[in-house]
Amino acid sequence: GAVVSQHPSRVICKSGTSVKIECRSLDFQATTMFWYRQFPKQSLMLMATSNEGSKATYEQGVEKDKFLINHASLTLSTLTVASAHPEDSSFYICSARKGDSNQPQHFGDGTRLSIL
Amino acid sequence: LAKTTQPISMDSYEGQEVNITCSHNNIATNDYITWYQQFPSQGPRFIIQGYKTKVTNEVASLFIPADRKSSTLSLPRVSLSDTAVYYCLVVQSGGYNKLIFGAGTRLAVHP
Repeated sequence: GAVVSQHPSRVICKSGTSVKIECRSLDFQATTMFWYRQFPKQSLMLMATSNEGSKATYEQGVEKDKFLINHASLTLSTLTVASAHPEDSSFYICSARKGDSNQPQHFGDGTRLSIL
Repeated sequence: LAKTTQPISMDSYEGQEVNITCSHNNIATNDYITWYQQFPSQGPRFIIQGYKTKVTNEVASLFIPADRKSSTLSLPRVSLSDTAVYYCLVVQSGGYNKLIFGAGTRLAVHP
């Protein structure tokens, strides 16, 4: 089946650090990937849609200058949390879709970000 | 996008069949229904999706009545490992087919 890999799985760093999270589709090409954030005991919140070769589309209320998305190839999208602060601590999850738009999305196993 | 409503939590026992019903009264003609399962500290995992009537795969069945205003995920003979959060989503066909997650149903399976 389709596999989406995220790296790293966990990050702990000091306030003010920029953190990059990678999302790779391992066995398929994905022109579109998605980034979500999930706080404890809450549901996933869609942050942005990452488009290969073009700018990401951000959901309302998500700061594009804070959460920088780059989708440079058909198998890799990156999310950079710029100058992270404790309130950015969360579980970040990416997904990608294999095939046409009605195919299910496949999710990575998430990145636990803890900002001290 | 159609809003979904599902029970916040459910309890069951090993070996029982579990049915989780989701309401989506405002579903549009081109929308379809998809269900995901999520374990703690993991990304969601696709279970099943459908447009109407009944869909069955190796892990679940999805029942969608003719008016499509609700759907029921059926898990046959659950085990302890089925303890998870189950999300019902209505997806707008075409475009990016974004997934907008609701609160989900927290299923606890007991011995």
